[in-house]
Amino acid sequence: EPEVTQTPSHQVTQMGQEVILRCVPISNHLYFYWYRQILGQKVEFLVSFYNNEISEKSEIFDDQFSVERPDGSNFTLKIRSTKLEDSAMYFCASMETDSSYEQYFGPGTRLTVT
Amino acid sequence: SQKIEQNSEALNIQEGKTATLTCNYTNYSPAYLQWYRQDPGRGPVFLLLIRENEKEKRKERLKVTFDTTLKQSLFHITASQPADSATYLCALDTGRRALTFGSGTRLQVQP
Repeated sequence: EPEVTQTPSHQVTQMGQEVILRCVPISNHLYFYWYRQILGQKVEFLVSFYNNEISEKSEIFDDQFSVERPDGSNFTLKIRSTKLEDSAMYFCASMETDSSYEQYFGPGTRLTVT
Repeated sequence: SQKIEQNSEALNIQEGKTATLTCNYTNYSPAYLQWYRQDPGRGPVFLLLIRENEKEKRKERLKVTFDTTLKQSLFHITASQPADSATYLCALDTGRRALTFGSGTRLQVQP
């Protein structure tokens, strides 16, 4: 069964450094998302991406964040100048079409900022 | 903005019983509502979607109801099993398929 994959599974970085989280969505899916979950809190939407551009972003997704689909398979989230409060689980998700509604989530990348 | 409340942080039941989880939302009624399952350290997994014009939806031992008057959805697991132990998340689409999740209800099924 096709699945969303994410790398790395765990990333440790120092405050102020830049990190890139990588995702490979399901191949025929057209919509891509990033969510985050701070330990013990709810899953929060960050950004959605369709047709090579951002469709929607939350207030969390400020200038520190950027997304890119550098090729036909990868979808990345870049966090510049990381802060302690960026420590969280980051989930990538993909959706097949605009009428399918069901989002498929990856296993997540645990980001620890020290 | 839309707010979602899942009233029970945790629910403990005996194997074989029916688990009932509640999701309430404020403001506008969404066109549809989704339920996901999340195991510790894993991503959410889609379970069921119910549309605003549907009163009830079933999938195997799962049943979801949607009451737009009460602004509430109920999620039922019948004949519960220890393997059903997980956190169950209610989610609404707040635009362009961006999901807003509730805080979840942690279900523990005791053998």
